[in-house]
Amino acid sequence: QQQVRQSPQSLTVWEGETAILNCSYENSAFDYFPWYQQFPGEGPALLIAIRSVSDKKEDGGFTIFFNKREKNLSLHIKDSQPGDSATYFCAASGPSGSWQLIFGSGTQLTVMP
Amino acid sequence: NAGVIQTPRHKVTGKGQEATLWCEPISGHSAVFWYRQTIVQGLEFLTYFRNQAPIDDSGMPKERFSAQMPNQSHSTLKIQSTQPQDSAVYLCASSSRGAETLYFGSGTRLTVL
Repeated sequence: QQQVRQSPQSLTVWEGETAILNCSYENSAFDYFPWYQQFPGEGPALLIAIRSVSDKKEDGGFTIFFNKREKNLSLHIKDSQPGDSATYFCAASGPSGSWQLIFGSGTQLTVMP
Repeated sequence: NAGVIQTPRHKVTGKGQEATLWCEPISGHSAVFWYRQTIVQGLEFLTYFRNQAPIDDSGMPKERFSAQMPNQSHSTLKIQSTQPQDSAVYLCASSSRGAETLYFGSGTRLTVL
């Protein structure tokens, strides 16, 4: 049983559009939710993260919206650029102080010029 | 800061042979994590060390897989009697702050013929 689920599996948007990537989780003890970005041939790299005490986190053109009651979150990529084309992983950790990170299966984003 | 270094980048083995994968974490990081990445299973947690001690190996296949961290500057993942289903990208990550920020290497792509 997957503890962290992502949708869609793949997403194509046009340059300038907002891409929306979804994530849901099972374990109520999770309290830290990072998103990682991975380009082909590279390892994942931390993009942005949110803690369960917040409902929104912004960093540049990336925004996480978090709904604790519904156990889901989404990553919005505003004004998408072809360079944002990558695979995005939602992850979860918790309870606080836990050192293990559970990853979702990823969303492959393609931004068309 | 060279980041997390993984060697080799690619390894091809015959079925039944042994494979040893190397990871050099970022200097000063106290934790080292191993993940396996495949198209079907995504990013699977294998094991992690903190201050060189094995903490959680719950993701490691019970047979044929072993990991060690003999000193703070490197960790190894050994797969004995490799099988085609072991083919994957093996990712190593290090952290100084638990699950908050994992720094991944570029991975070792293992192909078992």
